[in-house]
Amino acid sequence: NAGVMQNPRHLVRRRGQEARLRCSPMKGHSHVYWYRQLPEEGLKFMVYLQKENIIDESGMPKERFSAEFPKEGPSILRIQQVVRGDSAAYFCASSPKQGGGYTFGSGTRLTVV
Amino acid sequence: KNEVEQSPQNLTAQEGEFITINCSYSVGISALHWLQQHPGGGIVSLFMLSSGKKKHGRLIATINIQEKHSSLHITASHPRDSAVYICAVRFGSGGGADGLTFGKGTHLIIQP
Repeated sequence: NAGVMQNPRHLVRRRGQEARLRCSPMKGHSHVYWYRQLPEEGLKFMVYLQKENIIDESGMPKERFSAEFPKEGPSILRIQQVVRGDSAAYFCASSPKQGGGYTFGSGTRLTVV
Repeated sequence: KNEVEQSPQNLTAQEGEFITINCSYSVGISALHWLQQHPGGGIVSLFMLSSGKKKHGRLIATINIQEKHSSLHITASHPRDSAVYICAVRFGSGGGADGLTFGKGTHLIIQP
């Protein structure tokens, strides 16, 4: 029972580069959620996905951010042309059903220099 | 506006004290979660509640749906309980997207 696996744990990118954050949900979980925690701020919802579908992306910034959850493999949160304001901890959570109990990953801490 | 308010924002107590952290929300919810986050660490889900009371070890969580209020209690507190405790809710009746809305967290320090 490996839990929700996120990698990398820490990621440093220069301004303008791309960041790819990966999340492997718990075995048997087909619902994935991404959350962002900015420094000194609370967690904010970004996007909710099921396999091959984006269900709700109302919390995603309109530009540069995208997410996917393919049929095979982990969910990916992609940030293009990163800026300093993207520096944050990004958490993934999975659940076995909509509204079911969440299990969180350890997060990816993105630093943009 | 869907909001979640937590109090206190910061709490320092002595080992052994009984701790209470409060959470209020603005509109009806389908579920409320209590989460724990250690500095620089991941997030652990402690409880998910839709009514009543749950207990796990020294932790107790209660929710009053009519008053839109929940409390997290820690009995016989210990320095290892020092962490940020976060209240999160899922608004609405459950249909559609169900991303959580979070409180700002309560920073708890238990001194030996």
